[in-house]
Amino acid sequence: GNSVTQMEGPVTLSEEAFLTINCTYTATGYPSLFWYVQYPGEGLQLLLKATKADDKGSNKGFEATYRKETTSFHLEKGSVQVSDSAVYFCALSDNSGGSNYKLTFGKGTLLTVNP
Amino acid sequence: NAGVTQTPKFQVLKTGQSMTLQCAQDMNHNSMYWYRQDPGMGLRLIYYSASEGTTDKGEVPNGYNVSRLNKREFSLRLESAAPSQTSVYFCASRSGTVLSNYGYTFGSGTRLTVV
Repeated sequence: GNSVTQMEGPVTLSEEAFLTINCTYTATGYPSLFWYVQYPGEGLQLLLKATKADDKGSNKGFEATYRKETTSFHLEKGSVQVSDSAVYFCALSDNSGGSNYKLTFGKGTLLTVNP
Repeated sequence: NAGVTQTPKFQVLKTGQSMTLQCAQDMNHNSMYWYRQDPGMGLRLIYYSASEGTTDKGEVPNGYNVSRLNKREFSLRLESAAPSQTSVYFCASRSGTVLSNYGYTFGSGTRLTVV
């Protein structure tokens, strides 16, 4: 079956530090890959996505590149802010016809950014 | 604002009580999903509905039932609540269009405690 493994947290950084959260996946076929963000007390919001190999998703200074050869989709940001403190989830969508595009999530990584 | 609306936001139940979590979307999406979120476990799929009139089990369906009342509404029922069902429940709907990359929209969640 499909699975997503992401970096265990929590991650604590100082403002303006570089962020990397690792994500690797196992899937049959050609999944789409996503990063979702969950701010305290809120639901999940789509942060960025990539639908095919070598695609780069980007949003709000965050980036992730779909690497089929290493089955990875690592999240990066060059300079984090206190407002980036949240839980980040890596996810894949099985795009095969019978799967109904169900999302499979990683366990989440809590990021805390200190001023 | 268009989106996914969940009610209630918070609920405390006694073991053995029943309740229904409500979810409605106004985006004309065909597919709807119920997930539960537990610490260190990410989000796990309980049930989903690919279209009005159909429902299917996800990864963790035991102890739950669902009803796709119409295209807008997808409810989750706990017939006899157990402490193991203490969790945060998220409803989501999914666009069926290629242009949106079959994107998901999540509700803000229902925090359920079973004592």
